[in-house]
Amino acid sequence: DQQVKQNSPSLSVQEGRISILNCDYTNSMFDYFLWYKKYPAEGPTFLISISSIKDKNEDGRFTVFLNKSAKHLSLHIVPSQPGDSAVYFCAAIDYKLSFGAGTTVTVRA
Amino acid sequence: NAGVTQTPKFQVLKTGQSMTLQCAQDMNHNSMYWYRQDPGMGLRLIYYSASEGTTDKGEVPNGYNVSRLNKREFSLRLESAAPSQTSVYFCASLGGVNTEAFFGQGTRLTVV
Repeated sequence: DQQVKQNSPSLSVQEGRISILNCDYTNSMFDYFLWYKKYPAEGPTFLISISSIKDKNEDGRFTVFLNKSAKHLSLHIVPSQPGDSAVYFCAAIDYKLSFGAGTTVTVRA
Repeated sequence: NAGVTQTPKFQVLKTGQSMTLQCAQDMNHNSMYWYRQDPGMGLRLIYYSASEGTTDKGEVPNGYNVSRLNKREFSLRLESAAPSQTSVYFCASLGGVNTEAFFGQGTRLTVV
C-alpha cells in the first residue's frame, strides 16, 4: 500500500509558465518531505525539502508547499525551463524514506 | 568526493542465476536503502538498513536478501533471479533526521 501518491503521471507546460506538481500522503507520522528530480540513466538528485513544522519553503525557482491537514504537498516551478524536463519524485520520511510513483514533466519551447 | 557508488552499472542474468549488487557510501551515513524503479511504479523500497548491523524489509523484499557489511557498504543479493526482477536498482544513503538522501547512479539489471 503506497503511502506517498503522485496521481498525475505526466505534466506538459510551456517554457516560462508555472509547473505545479502534486503529492498526497496517508501516513501522519511523516515529518519530513522531499522532492527529487531524475534524468534518464541517472540517479535521483535532491531538489528541495520541507519539515512538517513549516508550510512553505523556497529555493530559487522552486517552492514547496505543505498542507498537513489535507496531507498534501505541492512543488511549484516558476518559470519553467527546458532543463526542468525530467521525472519528479515526491518522498517522505518517518523512520524510512518512501517515494511516490513520479510525475514526468515536459517543458515545451 | 564519490558519494554513493554502485556496481555494476549493467548486468544481464539468466533465470535462476544469482548475483550481488554492491553499494558503498563515503559520507559516514547511518541509513542505507535499496530501491527498484519500474515504469509507472516509481521507486519502491526493497530493503533498508537504519544503522550498521540492522536491516529491515521494505515494500517489495521477496526474492532479495541484503547485508550491511559495515557502515559504508550495503549489498543486495538475488539468489535465484527471475524475469520479474528486471529493473533499475538504486542504492541511497541518508545521514540523519531532516536531511536529504543521496543516490547512486543505478544498476540496470535484465533477467532473461
